[in-house]
Amino acid sequence: GEDVEQSLFLSVREGDSSVINCTYTDSSSTYLYWYKQEPGAGLQLLTYIFSNMDMKQDQRLTVLLNKKDKHLSLRIADTQTGDSAIYFCAETNFNKFYFGSGTKLNVKP
Amino acid sequence: EPEVTQTPSHQVTQMGQEVILRCVPISNHLYFYWYRQILGQKVEFLVSFYNNEISEKSEIFDDQFSVERPDGSNFTLKIRSTKLEDSAMYFCASSEWGGLQETQYFGPGTRLLVL
Repeated sequence: GEDVEQSLFLSVREGDSSVINCTYTDSSSTYLYWYKQEPGAGLQLLTYIFSNMDMKQDQRLTVLLNKKDKHLSLRIADTQTGDSAIYFCAETNFNKFYFGSGTKLNVKP
Repeated sequence: EPEVTQTPSHQVTQMGQEVILRCVPISNHLYFYWYRQILGQKVEFLVSFYNNEISEKSEIFDDQFSVERPDGSNFTLKIRSTKLEDSAMYFCASSEWGGLQETQYFGPGTRLLVL
């Protein structure tokens, strides 16, 4: 079955760039997503990328997709303390989403 | 901005009891979903719902679970005879249409604790 893997933790200093990585197994994935979950809150869609794209940029966020290696990354430029949260990678297969375990980003002042 | 809402935010129940988790999807959305996240584990798909019937369900979604759209705004998940392992955060989501290109919008979740 589909599997999405992420590293569990990332710690960065405020102002640095953060790079959160994700690997997936389903080669038929068409869309890949990044969601943010703050403590006690639901999943907030940050951005998504279509599989025929290599890169998508949205303000401080840059998504890179290597379809050959099935590797997705999210780069957050100028990371702020408000970016501290859990970040989930997800891929779709028809109407089902398959999520990674989430990467907890800790931003130190 | 429209958002998906869920009630209650927290629910504590005794093993064997029935619970109903409620969701109000975004008003013009036609597809509805339930997911769960056991503490420390991945978010898992449970079921998708369209046109008053289940369109897809996972192996987790067995006879213990049912979904219903009782009126034009609510979407419910019923768990019969709850078990300890049903303790999790349950997320509702909705999308305007189905299909791979449609973004699902998630509610804040209901934390269910079965004692």
